[in-house]
This record gives sequence, structure tokens and C-alpha cells, in this order.
Amino acid sequence: DTGVSQDPRHKITKRGQNVTFRCDPISEHNRLYWYRQTLGQGPEFLTYFQNEAQLEKSRLLSDRFSAERPKGSFSTLEIQRTEQGDSAMYLCASSLTGETEAFFGQGTRLTVV
Amino acid sequence: AQKVTQAQTEISVVEKEDVTLDCVYETRDTTYYLFWYKQPPSGELVFLIRRNSFDEQNEISGRYSWNFQKSTSSFNFTITASQVVDSAVYFCALSPDSNYQLIWGAGTKLIIKP
Repeated sequence: DTGVSQDPRHKITKRGQNVTFRCDPISEHNRLYWYRQTLGQGPEFLTYFQNEAQLEKSRLLSDRFSAERPKGSFSTLEIQRTEQGDSAMYLCASSLTGETEAFFGQGTRLTVV
Repeated sequence: AQKVTQAQTEISVVEKEDVTLDCVYETRDTTYYLFWYKQPPSGELVFLIRRNSFDEQNEISGRYSWNFQKSTSSFNFTITASQVVDSAVYFCALSPDSNYQLIWGAGTKLIIKP
């Protein structure tokens, strides 16, 4: 296993379009986390899953943001009706449990034009 | 409110110098976790350390060391004998529990010049 994988690495979309990002965690990891990072800032926690259960989603930025992890393996993050302010790096991380190190993927850089 | 402050936006030193990155946090929780991550130009965040609030022992890992002081709410990171490969953005982060709902500082960009 080569680590957390995110796809695509880069996405350019027009304002108003929907986008979906995929995260493949390290295979035995139960926990999966999504963060957003804007330029010059630290990441901002969005949501996390324990297996297929989404245990925290109150920090998703708006109701245009949603995440799923249907089979407890890969996860998707969808942004509907994108806005220019959504332009950022979207990071995924996974960990075996809450007590262990979280490994991050290289992120998906979204540019909304 | 919980907050992490990394007052140093950018630090530039010459290779082999020691450098300390400051991190000050705010929380009302008695149990919390503190982290340091490194983000090289490739963008991938690399875990360096996690420390819980009950463990105030300083930690050393090779050229890296961390000084946790609850009395001043600080968790500073020192690199000894810096190397060019240490150049990166370093983030300090706080979590109220073990669920990685991390609150991050703005990061310190470290530049090590040869």
C-alpha cells in the first residue's frame, strides 16, 4: 500500500458546476478525515468517518458540501454549485483508530473560475 | 474558544544552525492533544509528533525536539543542526480529543539556506 491516494490532483471547474473528489485511504484504516486548506493557512477540519459512519459533519462548510464513505473504504467529497471561494486544496487523511497517527494524501487542488 | 497561534510566519536560517518554531495554544479543555506536522513543497502533510495534555515530558527524536509547557500553553519545536531538506511549512495543531478534529495554526515557513 502506497499511502492515502486522492483523485484528481487538480480540478478546474466553472462556477456553478458540481465537483466530486475521491479519497482512497490506507487499506486497513477505519478512520477517514476530510480537510480544506486555503493558501497560506493551516488545514480546516470538515468531516470524518469511522468505517462507513459519518461521525461528525457539522463542520462541513455549507449544505453544498457532502461526503460519503458507502462501504467503509474509499470516500467521496462533493461540492455542489461551486463558488470561487471554494477554491482551495482538499485534503484527505486516514488512521487506524483515533489513537494512532493520521496519514495525509497529497490533496486535490480545486480552482473555480 | 480553541486556537493555535504560530506567530512566526517565516524563518530563514543558514544550514547547520539550530532553529525553534513557536506554538501557543488556547483551550479550556483539561484533556487535549497537540501535534506538529511538516508540509514540504510537494504538499503532503507529514506527521511529526502527537502529545497528550497529561504528558509534559520533552521529547527528542534525532535532530528534532519538542518542549511542552502547560504553564505557558506552548508546544515549541526545535530543529538542531538544520539541513536544507528541513525546508517546509510546519504546522502546530490542537485537538480536543483523539478524533483528529484538528485546529491548526497558520504555519511557519522554514527556509534553510545552504
